[in-house]
Amino acid sequence: GQSLEQPSEVTAVEGAIVQINCTYQTSGFYGLSWYQQHDGGAPTFLSYNALDGLEETGRFSSFLSRSDSYGYLLLQELQMKDSASYFCAVKRGSTLGRLYFGRGTQLTVWP
Amino acid sequence: DAGVIQSPRHEVTEMGQEVTLRCKPISGHNSLFWYRQTMMRGLELLIYFNNNVPIDDSGMPEDRFSAKMPNASFSTLKIQPSEPRDSAVYFCASSLEGYEQYFGPGTRLTVT
Repeated sequence: GQSLEQPSEVTAVEGAIVQINCTYQTSGFYGLSWYQQHDGGAPTFLSYNALDGLEETGRFSSFLSRSDSYGYLLLQELQMKDSASYFCAVKRGSTLGRLYFGRGTQLTVWP
Repeated sequence: DAGVIQSPRHEVTEMGQEVTLRCKPISGHNSLFWYRQTMMRGLELLIYFNNNVPIDDSGMPEDRFSAKMPNASFSTLKIQPSEPRDSAVYFCASSLEGYEQYFGPGTRLTVT
């Protein structure tokens, strides 16, 4: 089987930096994805890491350590619009595109 | 491209009625996923197809649920008979067997 753990809630203020961690246990690990979901909306893709290291996309960065079975999403210069749920998801090599999602982290950004 | 299209966006029905949710994936994508999302259970994968063939339906809660994909551009998820505990948001997503899934806007189902 597989399991993913991420904090249920995180709060921060505008302009701050926040890190959302994700630890996973799975066989056949292929990569780690991050998705954002605003209230009432659909999950949307943010980033993907297949190799160790940091991937940067604008204000968002994602990190992966395969040896530690650990990754994180780093959000910089937080804005109110970043308030949303953030999901990590594992891709296994043999599952034809299937992703295994964590329970999500609710991020609240205060003014 | 219009993205993944789902219909209806909202459905309110009475217990015991049949419910059919529809999905049109992004053209060219070969994998299609049906998810259910609730506060209690989070985002659950119900079933997924690859090249129109069901690959894993182990997430389908019980025999009341069924899904079909008759061609590459259309899929349905049917609940018969529906129960109040089926109330949830149902998402359809498609992908090219990669790491990026494109989600539709979802169908908010309420069973009274």
